Amino acid sequence: GAVVSQHPSRVICKSGTSVKIECRSLDFQATTMFWYRQFPKQSLMLMATSNEGSKATYEQGVEKDKFLINHASLTLSTLTVTSAHPEDSSFYICSARTSTSGGYYEQYFGPGTRLTVT
Amino acid sequence: GQNIDQPTEMTATEGAIVQINCTYQTSGFNGLFWYQQHAGEAPTFLSYNVLDGLEEKGRFSSFLSRSKGYSYLLLKELQMKDSASYLCAVRDSNYQLIWGAGTKLIIKP
Repeated sequence: GAVVSQHPSRVICKSGTSVKIECRSLDFQATTMFWYRQFPKQSLMLMATSNEGSKATYEQGVEKDKFLINHASLTLSTLTVTSAHPEDSSFYICSARTSTSGGYYEQYFGPGTRLTVT
Repeated sequence: GQNIDQPTEMTATEGAIVQINCTYQTSGFNGLFWYQQHAGEAPTFLSYNVLDGLEEKGRFSSFLSRSKGYSYLLLKELQMKDSASYLCAVRDSNYQLIWGAGTKLIIKP
């Protein structure tokens, strides 16, 4: 199946700094990428949806100025957590979607990035 | 609103069979997914149902009834490594995935 990578897998940063997380589709072109966050013992929460070359669509309650998303190419999307605070500590997972020859959409997940803000 | 319900936690014995249920109410339906997630890791794909009936894949099977808004994941010959959370997700009319809260499955020897 298709492979999605994330980098870094783990990051620890100090409060007030910014952190960038990369999401790459390695062997396919992703017209749409999704960013999720997951708190311990909770399900995935969709943060935003980004289409290549256009602005991301953020879910209600997600601060677009704090979580900057860039989807500059069909294989790369980045999430930048600006001025991170301890409450931003979470597991961030990206997902890339592509269409199949049958006209259906398939969605593949990255391995996730564990962010810890001290 | 959109809603997906699944039990919070289940316990089963190694070697046994367990069924994890999922009911959903979504705006449109374009398939139901089951994912397995071990602690600290991202979800991994287990199964996909878009038509009614049973899909079997090794020790895991998934069933769908669209008229009832119901699915279940059946795990046979349980192994300790099956201890994980199992997430049910439905793809709605906008092709967005709506996630359930997950069922934590505990396997006991």
